[in-house]
Amino acid sequence: EVQLVASGGGLVKPGESLRLSCETSGFTFSTYTMHWVRQAPGKGLEWVSSIRSSSSYTYHADSLMGRFTISRDNARNSLYLQMNSLRAEDSAVYYCARACGDGCYPEYFQHWGQGTLVTVSS
Amino acid sequence: SYVLTQPPSVSVAPGKTARITCGGDNIGGKSVYWYHQKPGQAPVLVIYLDSDRPSGIPERFSGLNSGNTATLTISRVEAGDEADYYCQVWDSSRDHWVFGGGTKLTVL
Repeated sequence: EVQLVASGGGLVKPGESLRLSCETSGFTFSTYTMHWVRQAPGKGLEWVSSIRSSSSYTYHADSLMGRFTISRDNARNSLYLQMNSLRAEDSAVYYCARACGDGCYPEYFQHWGQGTLVTVSS
Repeated sequence: SYVLTQPPSVSVAPGKTARITCGGDNIGGKSVYWYHQKPGQAPVLVIYLDSDRPSGIPERFSGLNSGNTATLTISRVEAGDEADYYCQVWDSSRDHWVFGGGTKLTVL
C-alpha cells in the first residue's frame, strides 16, 4: 500500500524558515516524480513544486518567488520542502503527492498524503 | 498564466446526475484530471487523462473534454459524493500544474 506521511509543520513567525518532510513507503520511491501542493484554510488547492525521480529537474510555482526549494533523498525514501522567508499567506496545509508511474506524461498526482499544517503568524 | 474556471457550487438531488464544468482556453488540447476532497481529508484522484477512472472509483464518475470546457459527470449521485471537486491541467508552456478553483458539490 502506498503511504505518504508529511510532517514538519507548525507555528512560525514571519520571515522564519521551516523544512517539511514526506516519508514514503509501499513503492519504489526512487522511480517516481513527487509533488507538493498546499491549501490555505477554506481555500482551493495550489500546486507548489515538483521534482523528478533523480532530482534532475525541479519546478516551482511562480508565486513562491524562489523562497521554497524541493529536494529528495532516494536512500531515505523521503521528499522535502525547504521554506524560507515565510509569510502569512504561506499558511496552509501542505500535501505531498506521488506521481503516476510507468512513463506516464504528464506526471499527474496519483496518490496523496494527509498533509501537515503550517501557520505563519507573529 | 493558464486559468481554469469552475463554478463555486453545484447542487443535485440524490439519484440525479451532477455535471461539474472546468473552463479553460482550448482545454480540449490538454489532458484534464479531476480530484475530489471531503472535509478534513486529502484529495483523491477520480478521473485522469480526461476520462479514465482509477481503480476503485465507481463507473458513475465519467469525464469529457472538448473545446474550451471539460466536464465531470457523476451519475446516480449519492450522499457520499458530497465533496469539493477540482480540475487540473499541465501547462507545458510554463512547466506548471494548474488547479481550478474548486466546486462544492451539495447533495440535497
